[in-house]
Amino acid sequence: IVMTQSPATLSVSPGERATLSCRASQNIGRNLAWYQQKPGQAPRLLIYGASTGATGIPARFSGSGSGTDFTLTISSLQSEDCAIYYCHQSNGWPPRYTFGQGTKLEIK
Amino acid sequence: EVQLVESGGGLVQPGGSLRLSCTVSGFTFSGYWLSWVRQAPGKGLEWVANIKEDGSEKYYGDPVKGRFTISRDNAKNSLYLQMNSLRDEDMAMYFCAREGVSGSGAFDIWGQGTMVTVSS
Repeated sequence: IVMTQSPATLSVSPGERATLSCRASQNIGRNLAWYQQKPGQAPRLLIYGASTGATGIPARFSGSGSGTDFTLTISSLQSEDCAIYYCHQSNGWPPRYTFGQGTKLEIK
Repeated sequence: EVQLVESGGGLVQPGGSLRLSCTVSGFTFSGYWLSWVRQAPGKGLEWVANIKEDGSEKYYGDPVKGRFTISRDNAKNSLYLQMNSLRDEDMAMYFCAREGVSGSGAFDIWGQGTMVTVSS
């Protein structure tokens, strides 16, 4: 399953909304997670099951979608949200996990 | 504190072998599937392999199938990745990660990674 993220780079002003997209090449139900990765750090789980926030994740991060089209929304961008965001599908058995290529989020 | 700590990375020649380790603390090691995920320099994330709680099931990504072997020792709270016949394209940061969200396959805890450099 190929995961395609758009845009490749997104520039948003502080306090504005950021919308990141992820599209699967086939139906993956709600088996979709989002991660945030800052330079030199390991990824951090934000969202799983397409829309459930992981423990300790601020409420400004939300996920939506099912099937092939998914969205990560950051409702009011903070400076610390500057990072690369990856989507990850875990549909099907045996596991053949794949990631999107990432969206780099910049602060305008 | 929940922690995963990788070790064993380093410089290896093409065709060589390396064994990575991931030592876990802060949670019941034997209760979770675990994965290896890698990231080539400046590139995105790629799932490498995973292993069931008791080690009875193992799955691999196509690029490493037949060359890499994942294993675990629940008595030592340790996960391993034996990498043979290494290629230039295997050069990456290797992360171990816990599949901690039941039934979702999502990786909720990650180590900081260990770097594998393949070069002659």
